[in-house]
Formats: sequence, structure tokens, C-alpha cells
Amino acid sequence: GESVGLHLPTLSVQEGDNSIINCAYSNSASDYFIWYKQESGKGPQFIIDIRSNMDKRQGQRVTVLLNKTVKHLSLQIAATQPGDSAVYFCAESDDYKLSFGAGTTVTVRA
Amino acid sequence: DVKVTQSSRYLVKRTGEKVFLECVQDMDHENMFWYRQDPGLGLRLIYFSYDVKMKEKGDIPEGYSVSREKKERFSLILESASTNQTSMYLCASSIQGDNSPLHFGNGTRLTVT
Repeated sequence: GESVGLHLPTLSVQEGDNSIINCAYSNSASDYFIWYKQESGKGPQFIIDIRSNMDKRQGQRVTVLLNKTVKHLSLQIAATQPGDSAVYFCAESDDYKLSFGAGTTVTVRA
Repeated sequence: DVKVTQSSRYLVKRTGEKVFLECVQDMDHENMFWYRQDPGLGLRLIYFSYDVKMKEKGDIPEGYSVSREKKERFSLILESASTNQTSMYLCASSIQGDNSPLHFGNGTRLTVT
């Protein structure tokens, strides 16, 4: 069956450092991947997406890397700020439906 | 920006009650979705809709139904609420077609006692 999961449920990062959040997926037919950020009391917020014909995509302070060979997805956040503290979800899709992982809670230390 | 509005942030209902959760989006999106979010289980898809009056079962539709009479509104119905339906419910919308991101509302936390 399909499963989307994150390697670590929690991540503690020093303010100013770079963060790397990892995600493994099992469905080799998945062709679309998204990272979401969820702050306390809010719904998931879209961060960045990537299609399977790419292996890297950059946004503002964020980079998503896709390794289809090992079915691995990562989100890199540059110069982590206190406002980056949240739960981060990866999601994957091979059709119109997204499957979500359980999330990684990122805590930024001052 | 896309705005997805869920009518209630918190609801408390009794076992056996019929519960309506309402969701409205303002970006003319064709697709709308209902998820529930539980600790350790992530987001699980209950129902989704491609168009007005269209609905499709997701991964966990049992105990739920939906209604989409207008393009901007998607309602989730718990016919007879049970305590195992206590959860955070998230509505989302997206444009037509595959490979488009979902835009979420801020959720409704439902407690069934």
C-alpha cells in the first residue's frame, strides 16, 4: 500500500541555522509532491511543490529535493527563524488525491 | 489569495446528533475536499467533489456524507455523531485537474460527547 512518512517526528533547530526535514514515500507511481506548514490553530499552508520530472526546486528560503531512486523528499529551510516553528507535512499524489505523512514538529531555539 | 472558510472553529455535539460542517471557498475552484486530522495519523480523506452535485468517497467515508449544491460550498454531514468522530476537520479546495496544491481552511475542532 501507499505510505508517506517523515523520518523524524520532531526536529529542534537553532535560530539562524539551516533546517532539513526528510520524507520517505513508497508509491513509485507518485508524480507530484507538496510540502505544507501547519501552525498551531491553523490549517496546513502550502509551502512548495515539485513534480517528478524535476529533482530540485527553490522558493523563498526553501528548497525541495526529490530523489526518485530512493523515493525520498526533503525540505530545506535556510536561516531558520522563530516563525518557522510549526508542523511540516509532506504529501504525494499519483492522481488527483494527496496522501499525507504524519508530520514533523520543528522547534526553533533562540 | 485563496480563502477557504469553515463556519465554526469549535463544535461540541452529543452522540447521535446530526452535525453539519460548512465550508466556503472564494476562488471558483472546481475541487473541494474534506479531511480529518488526528494525532499520529496525519490527514485522512473523507470525501471530495469535482463539481457541483458530484461527490466521491475518500479513504474513510463511513459515518459521513457530503453535499455540494453550489460550486463554492461543500458541506460535511455526520448523520449520527459518535465519539470516535471527535477530531479536527479540514476543508480544502483546488483548481481542476491533477497536480495542483490544496488550499486549506483553518479547521473545525469537533468534540462528540
